[in-house]
Amino acid sequence: ETGVTQTPRHLVMGMTNKKSLKCEQHLGHNAMYWYKQSAKKPLELMFVYNFKEQTENNSVPSRFSPECPNSSHLFLHLHTLQPEDSALYLCASSQLAGDSYEQYFGPGTRLTVT
Amino acid sequence: LAKTTQPISMDSYEGQEVNITCSHNNIATNDYITWYQQFPSQGPRFIIQGYKTKVTNEVASLFIPADRKSSTLSLPRVSLSDTAVYYCLVGRNSGNTPLVFGKGTRLSVIA
Repeated sequence: ETGVTQTPRHLVMGMTNKKSLKCEQHLGHNAMYWYKQSAKKPLELMFVYNFKEQTENNSVPSRFSPECPNSSHLFLHLHTLQPEDSALYLCASSQLAGDSYEQYFGPGTRLTVT
Repeated sequence: LAKTTQPISMDSYEGQEVNITCSHNNIATNDYITWYQQFPSQGPRFIIQGYKTKVTNEVASLFIPADRKSSTLSLPRVSLSDTAVYYCLVGRNSGNTPLVFGKGTRLSVIA
């Protein structure tokens, strides 16, 4: 499989549940990102991993916990979410230190918190 | 990070050329200009990137004046499938200062 894949594509969870979103990139990139996109809002950058090290955390609540075990995989662990956390969660990857500033996005996980 | 300003929405008929202009008055010397396209419920897709003058690929052209304080994305002969949100981003994707997406321009192509 090529590009950036995300699973699951759709997720419905209660506020007391614990779930995880998975992202995998098959592009050999060295940076991975989590974004949140709520309805009619701009993309919000949540976390950045550069060579498996977290370099950015944009004041994201602790109920979102990222994990990057290697340069190809990125997880977003979710627990005790709120209804306002319902959104499209997008993963992206890019190759840093090159001439291209292109980020490759996955298809996203549509999360609904009930 | 350089702030960008672009129209919230635009309408166009099929077959027309569409030009979307983005203002970035405080662009830095090392910043590149990148445009993305996003369809509903999908991740953004890279369209084109440039530093100065003109860049063209199979999808679009990007015009950047000498002062680089603005840029124009040109989509030739749009079709209904070009209906999407188009984002202009300015910066360097260095990891420590990743690119920031604004609200974008919602393009609606009408038959």
